[in-house]
Amino acid sequence: SAVISQKPSRDICQRGTSLTIQCQVDSQVTMMFWYRQQPGQSLTLIATANQGSEATYESGFVIDKFPISRPNLTFSTLTVSNMSPEDSSIYLCSGIRQGVWTEAFFGQGTRLTVV
Amino acid sequence: TQLLEQSPQFLSIQEGENLTVYCNSSSVFSSLQWYRQEPGEGPVLLVTVVTGGEVKKLKRLTFQFGDARKDSSLHITAAQPGDTGLYLCAGAGGSGGSNYKLTFGKGTLLTVNP
Repeated sequence: SAVISQKPSRDICQRGTSLTIQCQVDSQVTMMFWYRQQPGQSLTLIATANQGSEATYESGFVIDKFPISRPNLTFSTLTVSNMSPEDSSIYLCSGIRQGVWTEAFFGQGTRLTVV
Repeated sequence: TQLLEQSPQFLSIQEGENLTVYCNSSSVFSSLQWYRQEPGEGPVLLVTVVTGGEVKKLKRLTFQFGDARKDSSLHITAAQPGDTGLYLCAGAGGSGGSNYKLTFGKGTLLTVNP
């Protein structure tokens, strides 16, 4: 199985600040995604991280709030900007291997609390 | 909007009991996946079902994909405390969408008491 490591695993941040979450995947992964999950709840896709170009955002998510970079095949970052308590959630990085669309791998998640 | 309705949302049972979790949608999916997530971890894939009517078994877990590829079920036989976790179903390729985009159900939080 593909290996995905994500950091930080958790953080407590002041409102109005920004946090950047890093995701490193092994070379098997070709597509990368960012999800948000309320504890014990479903996952919501934020965006698809595209290598060397702007991410593709889902409805309800915008680049100014959640800028995403993917400078190479195996690394991506998600920034949560100008945070408010409503941004408190678990953020998950995910990847799919080339040609194996039916299997998604996930990082351990970043639990963010905004105070 | 594609929705996956998952039920029950919460389930607390005793060790040794059987249980079934359901995942239903009005959309047809090219595949449906089941994940299990433990606290502080990301979801881990249990199984993918692709063919309508397909049944897959993973030890004490039995997964079924509906004939119309709109619904699925997960049955656990003789549940053990180690089965405790959040079970999530996810559909791919719903309503002709991209196969790599997953729509997740809300999850079933299972607690198996010793």
